[in-house]
Amino acid sequence: SQTIHQWPATLVQPVGSPLSLECTVEGTSNPNLYWYRQAAGRGLQLLFYSVGIGQISSEVPQNLSASRPQDRQFILSSKKLLLSDSGFYLCAWSVHEQYFGPGTRLTVT
Amino acid sequence: QQPVQSPQAVILREGEDAVINCSSSKALYSVHWYRQKHGEAPVFLMILLKGGEQKGHEKISASFNEKKQQSSLYLTASQLSYSGTYFCGTETVPRGSARQLTFGSGTQLTVLP
Repeated sequence: SQTIHQWPATLVQPVGSPLSLECTVEGTSNPNLYWYRQAAGRGLQLLFYSVGIGQISSEVPQNLSASRPQDRQFILSSKKLLLSDSGFYLCAWSVHEQYFGPGTRLTVT
Repeated sequence: QQPVQSPQAVILREGEDAVINCSSSKALYSVHWYRQKHGEAPVFLMILLKGGEQKGHEKISASFNEKKQQSSLYLTASQLSYSGTYFCGTETVPRGSARQLTFGSGTQLTVLP
């Protein structure tokens, strides 16, 4: 069966610091991968999606970037965090339906 | 454009029924429903594809009216475990293999004993 991992689970970072969140999927090959952000009490905003290694599409202009160095690995990065980057970051994979990972709760102070 | 969910919140007693609606201003290819418990990731419930089908999952079912660009989620004989925030995710045009979903703002469902 397929499983999706995200780490870290919780992160507190100061404004201006870099960010690296990692997501890995097991039990499937060539999945579509997605990064979402959820602000407190809000819905899910699609940030990036990828249909293959090195193929990244961005949905929202921001100071975040994504990379897919391996088939089942998806990384979300930032060079300098802003206060507005705080939120719950969710990675998802799909073949048809989308399944979410456990998420990373990021607080920028 | 974000789909509109209604109601924003609903409180039920155990055993009562509820309906959550999701409507879009654009033609829809598919609708996906999720439930999210506080502090946890959303959990996939079901997907409805263009064609006006209805699906069921235990006591939770959903319908999709593509002409009206609407979907409804039906929860019958609600249980305490049904509490959470329900999101619909809509897909307007299939872009290759990637599922690009736009999510509504959610409906908070509380089931009381």
